Amino acid sequence: QQQVKQSPQSLIVQKGGISIINCAYENTAFDYFPWYQQFPGKGPALLIAIRPDVSEKKEGRFTISFNKSAKQFSLHIMDSQPGDSATYFCAASKSSYKLIFGSGTRLLVRP
Amino acid sequence: EAGVVQSPRYKIIEKKQPVAFWCNPISGHNTLYWYRQNLGQGPELLIRYENEEAVDDSQLPKDRFSAERLKGVDSTLKIQPAELGDSAVYLCASSLRTDEAFFGQGTRLTVV
Repeated sequence: QQQVKQSPQSLIVQKGGISIINCAYENTAFDYFPWYQQFPGKGPALLIAIRPDVSEKKEGRFTISFNKSAKQFSLHIMDSQPGDSATYFCAASKSSYKLIFGSGTRLLVRP
Repeated sequence: EAGVVQSPRYKIIEKKQPVAFWCNPISGHNTLYWYRQNLGQGPELLIRYENEEAVDDSQLPKDRFSAERLKGVDSTLKIQPAELGDSAVYLCASSLRTDEAFFGQGTRLTVV
């Protein structure tokens, strides 16, 4: 019940395209859902986060869509750029204290 | 604002040897976390501190791992003795509010 399942494992998108990464969770007590971006040799960096009281949150080219009834949330990267090439992790937690991370999605944006 | 600082960046040791990692969190952050990230996987929490108190160490393998956060600022994570399966990136993170955790660059440990 503590797992967060992330897909796909890897994703290749053309420059200007839309990148979509999906996550699913089981624990209905989770109330904080962040997405982290990680470049090689670096620690994860918070990209955007959402709480269950809203169904969508947008920050620049990045949007989180949240479906509470399906226990799923997704990250959409609009107008994907080569600089977006990185590994993306979804996570979930109850009250933000103990982040449970997904297994990661390696995104490659081709020029 | 300086970020979370970790050292060393890389460490190669032989199995059964001890190793220690150091973390300096962002100034003023009272919550400190140690995570372990295995290759190709997401980070997994080892221990969380609120000031100098370890409030969640349920995932810390206590037979060989130990951690301390003296004075509620810097923290050290120790493994003794190290095993081959301990090879991973050890990440430190800190937060002021409960929402956003800021991660350091990590220490890549290789046990040979």
